[in-house]
Amino acid sequence: NAGVTQTPKFQVLKTGQSMTLQCAQDMNHEYMSWYRQDPGMGLRLIHYSVGAGITDQGEVPNGYNVSRSTTEDFPLRLLSAAPSQTSVYFCASSYLSRAGGLTVNTGELFFGEGSRLTVL
Amino acid sequence: KNQVEQSPQSLIILEGKNCTLQCNYTVSPFSNLRWYKQDTGRGPVSLTIMTFSENTKSNGRYTATLDADTKQSSLHITASQLSDSASYICVVSASGTYKYIFGTGTRLKVLA
Repeated sequence: NAGVTQTPKFQVLKTGQSMTLQCAQDMNHEYMSWYRQDPGMGLRLIHYSVGAGITDQGEVPNGYNVSRSTTEDFPLRLLSAAPSQTSVYFCASSYLSRAGGLTVNTGELFFGEGSRLTVL
Repeated sequence: KNQVEQSPQSLIILEGKNCTLQCNYTVSPFSNLRWYKQDTGRGPVSLTIMTFSENTKSNGRYTATLDADTKQSSLHITASQLSDSASYICVVSASGTYKYIFGTGTRLKVLA
């Protein structure tokens, strides 16, 4: 069982370049999300999705774009890389639970192994 | 503002000793609280989940407690091992939302 798979593990970009971080999960999770982790700070949510065709912004969405065409995949695109985007990026997924007609997210987050991005 | 604060920031202990990590939160309405372990260079992995009605939960040498009245949780590690060296992250979910609020973590180093 692969879980959450992220690629690439390492990437170096020049300022202004664009790239896509790939994320795939094989657990049929509806919820997928992208976080960045910087020294001294907690994981910060960039974008998330609660199903195919549905995405929303998190805490730090500027400079990033996402799409969700399938349940399995949730790529993160850097449109024009900046040094401030140097970070470690984590993709995470979980199931969604439903109670009283509401869909809420209380599931355990399963994380990928991370993608370390350096922007020069 | 929903926040999760952890203490201490870092901790060094000798192998075999016990330690306790703290988590204070202001997330409302509260849904659940999880403790994650993150090894260096790896993604976080869930250790335990605490819901509103639970006070204590154990997972091997890890015991988590929750006081919903004071909005505090602790993670107690018994008989520490070298493999316990990692960052421990407290994560709180707000009821009815899709978002998780992360603490900045406690970096634990266990020395032989």
